Amino acid sequence: RKEVEQDPGPFNVPEGATVAFNCTYSNSASQSFFWYRQDCRKEPKLLMSVYSSGNEDGRFTAQLNRASQYISLLIRDSKLSDSATYLCVVFPSGNTPLVFGKGTRLSVIA
Amino acid sequence: NAGVTQTPKFQVLKTGQSMTLQCAQDMNHEYMSWYRQDPGMGLRLIHYSVGAGITDQGEVPNGYNVSRSTTEDFPLRLLSAAPSQTSVYFCASNPRTGNTGELFFGEGSRLTVL
Repeated sequence: RKEVEQDPGPFNVPEGATVAFNCTYSNSASQSFFWYRQDCRKEPKLLMSVYSSGNEDGRFTAQLNRASQYISLLIRDSKLSDSATYLCVVFPSGNTPLVFGKGTRLSVIA
Repeated sequence: NAGVTQTPKFQVLKTGQSMTLQCAQDMNHEYMSWYRQDPGMGLRLIHYSVGAGITDQGEVPNGYNVSRSTTEDFPLRLLSAAPSQTSVYFCASNPRTGNTGELFFGEGSRLTVL
């Protein structure tokens, strides 16, 4: 089982739609979880951290389910500018590096 | 605000040539790392460093060397370039030794090996 797995997509959704991505991780001892966004031909950038209690940032909601070892990202009222690849990232523990999923591609269509 | 600076942005090499990708950060970050990104493969960690004088191998270290003589700089050396090393390379830094999630990435270096 890969450390971090994501559905590669693409998810093609109309403007205004709600879309959700899931990500599973294999290391039950993982400490921290994040979503990054990567635009085409650009570097990845942190979108939001994922907390056990769930957290929201505007139209974006992230949730963590430690028992089932998955993380989700919900985007409401999708905008054209949301088109990007969304990377699920897990920090295992200690001084080990962050582990990146391969990303889920989202295309929001007018 | 310079952040993480990578040079060059584009490079074409012939098989067997060597070169160094430069990475510098001005945020006094302890942790620095190099990734390569290929279509369908996601980001793969090449080497990383948790502080000056300390380096470690990532997932795909073969064919690459690194050193960390200062906090600011973390160059990546390709010893004898191969077509399989054609990729986009990202350098990234973090203020602490991996226990926070915000990696600050450079803009990337696109390398083609003919």
